[in-house]
Amino acid sequence: EVQLLESGGGLVQPGGSLRLSCAASGFPFSIYTMNWVRQTPGRGPEWVSGIIGVTGSTHYTESVKGRFTISRDTSKNTLFLQMNSLRDEDTAVYYCTRDAISNNGIWEYFEYWGRGVLVTVSS
Amino acid sequence: EIVLTQSPGTLSLSPGERATLSCRASQSVSGNYLAWYQQKVGQAPRLLIYGASTRATGIPDRFSGSGSGTDFTLTISRLEPEDFAVYYCQQYGTSPEMYTFGQGTKLEIK
Repeated sequence: EVQLLESGGGLVQPGGSLRLSCAASGFPFSIYTMNWVRQTPGRGPEWVSGIIGVTGSTHYTESVKGRFTISRDTSKNTLFLQMNSLRDEDTAVYYCTRDAISNNGIWEYFEYWGRGVLVTVSS
Repeated sequence: EIVLTQSPGTLSLSPGERATLSCRASQSVSGNYLAWYQQKVGQAPRLLIYGASTRATGIPDRFSGSGSGTDFTLTISRLEPEDFAVYYCQQYGTSPEMYTFGQGTKLEIK
């Protein structure tokens, strides 16, 4: 059974930092593209960052480039999101997601989601 | 960037009725890379449909997806009480910048 369990959320002041973790199990972690997706109340989800399984190549949405860093530890099947220089607008529930397997270079749909973790940026 | 517009914003129906949810793209969605998700209050979204019309594992056959190009539809043939939730469409594709979601349709009990 695929499981994704996020941790590390909380309240942080503007300009502060936070590190999210996502413990994955039930599938070969290193071959799947993994993502962080966030959502604010009443709005659709927003893709934040992704790491390609086979290559480890990382990608970010424009608004977090230079501030957020996605990484993974394949020995511990864990995905991370280091968030620096946090802003009010980064306040959201952050989800860890796993793509469907891709055989043709397509960034696939989000087949599995974790339960999410709340990040609140406020003074 | 493709913008996905969902309609209606809110749909009020009764159990047993048929629900038709629309997702319109500002440009053609290549490869029919269009997914639908269901989200209940306090829960993560759950994948229902991918490739515009393929049901995900474990999804009941009362859920069906159709469409191509710029117009896509999610149909729930006979609503069950557990189907009342918010539904999102999503585009995916050749780059992560293509990951966009609609604003959602809330399906509520009439």
